[in-house]
Amino acid sequence: EAQVTQNPRYLITVTGKKLTVTCSQNMNHEYMSWYRQDPGLGLRQIYYSMNVEVTDKGDVPEGYKVSRKEKRNFPLILESPSPNQTSLYFCASSFLSGTPYEQYFGPGTRLTVT
Amino acid sequence: GIQVEQSPPDLILQEGANSTLRCNFSDSVNNLQWFHQNPWGQLINLFYIPSGTKQNGRLSATTVATERYSLLYISSSQTTDSGVYFCDCYDYGQNFVFGPGTRLSVLP
Repeated sequence: EAQVTQNPRYLITVTGKKLTVTCSQNMNHEYMSWYRQDPGLGLRQIYYSMNVEVTDKGDVPEGYKVSRKEKRNFPLILESPSPNQTSLYFCASSFLSGTPYEQYFGPGTRLTVT
Repeated sequence: GIQVEQSPPDLILQEGANSTLRCNFSDSVNNLQWFHQNPWGQLINLFYIPSGTKQNGRLSATTVATERYSLLYISSSQTTDSGVYFCDCYDYGQNFVFGPGTRLSVLP
């Protein structure tokens, strides 16, 4: 089954404790990205990647790191989480080399930083 | 980059009513998708529709690429249609851009 998986789905952590949210897709997509969504707001892009070893900042990259060492994985790293990073996070992927340019989303990760 | 607008920002309906949601985009696109985010936060892909018309049950969508807009029609709305509807656009060589969303509340 074609899917994007994220882990963990729920996480409560404390300020300053490094964490990684994993994202994996099984569709051989070139494009992957991370979004955050705060209550009552839309999706804001954190980072995206057009292919292996190619990453770019989105609209809200401060406080986050990413890496794209393999095509299927795109982990999101919070080196020193702060309470303002409490949010709902989504990972997405898509083809870029040909149609359809259709984004597939993971189930989301609810992060709480206390 | 592409600018994406959605209207209306909020919509309240009585169960059984019909509605039309609109997505305007500022430039040509190679992809347009409609998503529904349910009250539990899950993003559900409704339509991949860079042009033309598609229907799926009570929902249908039309994209007029030359005039840079897309419409999502919901007929005979149900309470389970409540949530936020997003359109998402992509132009080849650029990046995906989400609209701000339309929040729909369907009252019993």
